[in-house]
Amino acid sequence: NAGVTQTPKFRVLKTGQSMTLLCAQDMNHEYMYWYRQDPGMGLRLIHYSVGEGTTAKGEVPDGYNVSRLKKQNFLLGLESAAPSQTSVYFCASVRGEPAGNEQFFGPGTRLTVL
Amino acid sequence: GQNIDQPTEMTATEGAIVQINCTYQTSGFNGLFWYQQHAGEAPTFLSYNVLDGLEEKGRFSSFLSRSKGYSYLLLKELQMKDSASYLCAVIDSNYQLIWGAGTKLIIKP
Repeated sequence: NAGVTQTPKFRVLKTGQSMTLLCAQDMNHEYMYWYRQDPGMGLRLIHYSVGEGTTAKGEVPDGYNVSRLKKQNFLLGLESAAPSQTSVYFCASVRGEPAGNEQFFGPGTRLTVL
Repeated sequence: GQNIDQPTEMTATEGAIVQINCTYQTSGFNGLFWYQQHAGEAPTFLSYNVLDGLEEKGRFSSFLSRSKGYSYLLLKELQMKDSASYLCAVIDSNYQLIWGAGTKLIIKP
């Protein structure tokens, strides 16, 4: 089992460019999450999904969109990148509801927006 | 607002014991997690507490007091590989995970 994988691992964008981050999990987990992690701050939830075809906003959703067309994949899109979106992005999946179920994280995507 | 407080950084000696504290003020409580994160890597699960008391798992233990909004992670027989950040996270009343900023633990020989 590969667990949770993320593509790409690194990316540099110019302001205004767009890109899609891909998260894939092979554990048949229902819940999937996108976080960003910035120095000195905790993980902040961008969007999440409780099952195939569903998405919901988290704490910091502005400037991002997501889709979950297949249970195993969760895509994060940046339509017009801004320097404030420079961050490390982590995807995570959970078997079911958060209570009592650990989150499995992907290795992260390091994004720089110039 | 919701808030989780952890010390920013701690230093300890190899072979010693260290306690990392976490205090929280959240809208409701449905459990507390501790995760370990090595520099440049993803967080990995350490422990979960939902009832008051101590949960022991090898060299690591986690304690919870719901009435005080307080938890700690206890690491015994410290090893150099324990140098990492330790993240506290609370599940609130909406079953969302609220994360602390993490405590960077530095182990010295």
